[in-house]
Amino acid sequence: GAVVSQHPSRVICKSGTSVKIECRSLDFQATTMFWYRQFPKQSLMLMATSNEGSKATYEQGVEKDKFLINHASLTLSTLTVTSAHPEDSSFYICSARDHPRTMSSYNEQFFGPGTRLTVL
Amino acid sequence: AQSVTQPDIHITVSEGASLELRCNYSYGATPYLFWYVQSPGQGLQLLLKYFSGDTLVQGIKGFEAEFKRSQSSFNLRKPSVHWSDAAEYFCAVGPGGGNKLTFGTGTQLKVEL
Repeated sequence: GAVVSQHPSRVICKSGTSVKIECRSLDFQATTMFWYRQFPKQSLMLMATSNEGSKATYEQGVEKDKFLINHASLTLSTLTVTSAHPEDSSFYICSARDHPRTMSSYNEQFFGPGTRLTVL
Repeated sequence: AQSVTQPDIHITVSEGASLELRCNYSYGATPYLFWYVQSPGQGLQLLLKYFSGDTLVQGIKGFEAEFKRSQSSFNLRKPSVHWSDAAEYFCAVGPGGGNKLTFGTGTQLKVEL
């Protein structure tokens, strides 16, 4: 299957700093990438959907000025957590998929291994 | 709104025993249903999916799942569990086109040797 990488796998930062997480599709062109957040013992919560070359669509309750998403190329999307605070500590997961070929078909989302963010 | 419930947070089975992980969903239209497995340090891997047709779907690693519309369920099964199956399993529901998956809270599977 297709491979999606994330970098870094772990990051620890001080409160008030910004952190950038990269998500790359290694062997396919990802027209759409998704960013999820996973709290311990909880489900993955979709934060935003980004399409290459356009602005991300954020889910209700997600601060777009705090979680900046850029999808500048077909293989790279970045999530920047601005002015991070301890409550932003979480596991961030991206997924990527190719363009749906038909409305009735399904293009599988391929998931990255996740990034563990700890804000001190 | 769509939602997924996985009632079992933890399940422990002996190696070689059968396994069933429960998943119930709520969805307004015909659901697209998925089971994913998450191992430490690895991304979620798709085990199987259901869109339409035969309600019993086969997946990778010997897993299967059965869609029961009347019960709004999509339970995952495996006849004989291997120690390497120990991981966290997520059920998810979504529309077509690979958009906006809604995940359950996951079931942590432990396999006793």
